Amino acid sequence: DQQVKQNSPSLSVQEGRISILNCDYTNSMFDYFLWYKKYPAEGPTFLISISSIKDKNEDGRFTVFLNKSAKHLSLHIVPSQPGDSAVYFCAASAHSGTASKLTFGTGTRLQVTL
Amino acid sequence: NAGVTQTPKFQVLKTGQSMTLQCAQDMNHEYMSWYRQDPGMGLRLIHYSVGAGITDQGEVPNGYNVSRSTTEDFPLRLLSAAPSQTSVYFCASSYEPLNSPLHFGNGTRLTVT
Repeated sequence: DQQVKQNSPSLSVQEGRISILNCDYTNSMFDYFLWYKKYPAEGPTFLISISSIKDKNEDGRFTVFLNKSAKHLSLHIVPSQPGDSAVYFCAASAHSGTASKLTFGTGTRLQVTL
Repeated sequence: NAGVTQTPKFQVLKTGQSMTLQCAQDMNHEYMSWYRQDPGMGLRLIHYSVGAGITDQGEVPNGYNVSRSTTEDFPLRLLSAAPSQTSVYFCASSYEPLNSPLHFGNGTRLTVT
C-alpha cells in the first residue's frame, strides 16, 4: 500500500518555464513533508520541506504547496533550469515517539530542455 | 567535509554469501538509517537508529541486521544474500529524528546472482 504517491514518472519542461511536480498521500497522520532531488549515481539531497501547520513554503526558485484537505502537495520550480534535471522524491513523516520514519514516493524524473 | 560515506560503491555477491555495507558520518548526527531503492518502489526504510546502542526495524527489515556501537558508524549486514536483495542501498543521517532533513550517502549498488 503506497502511502505516498507520485503518479507522474516523468515530466519534460522547457528551460525558463515552470515545473510542477505533484505528490499525493493517504495517511492523515503525516505532518511533515519534504522534497529530495537525486542525480544519477548520487544520493538524494534535501531540497525543501513544509510542516502541516503551513500551506506554502518558498526557497528561491522552489516553492512547495500543501493542501491538507486534498492530501496533496506540489513542488513548483520557476524558472526551470537545465541543472534541475533530476529525479525528485516526495517524502512524508508522522510524529511517532522518538523516531521519525520517512515514507518516500516513487519519484518523478524531470527533464528540463533547452 | 565528508558527510555520509558509504563503502563499497559496487558489490556482486553469490546467493548465500554474507557481507557488510559500511556507513560512516562525521556530522555527529544521532539519527542514522538505511534505505533501499528499487525501480517503481521509491526508497524503503530497512533499519534505523536514534543513537549509539539503539536500533529498530523499518518497513523491510527481513534479511538484514544492523548495530550501532558508535555515533559515527552504522553498518548493514546481509547474513545470507538472496537475489531479492539486489538493489541500491542508501545510508542517511540527521541531527535529530524528528522533522530534520536526512543527509544521504552516495549509495552502494548490490547485485546478488
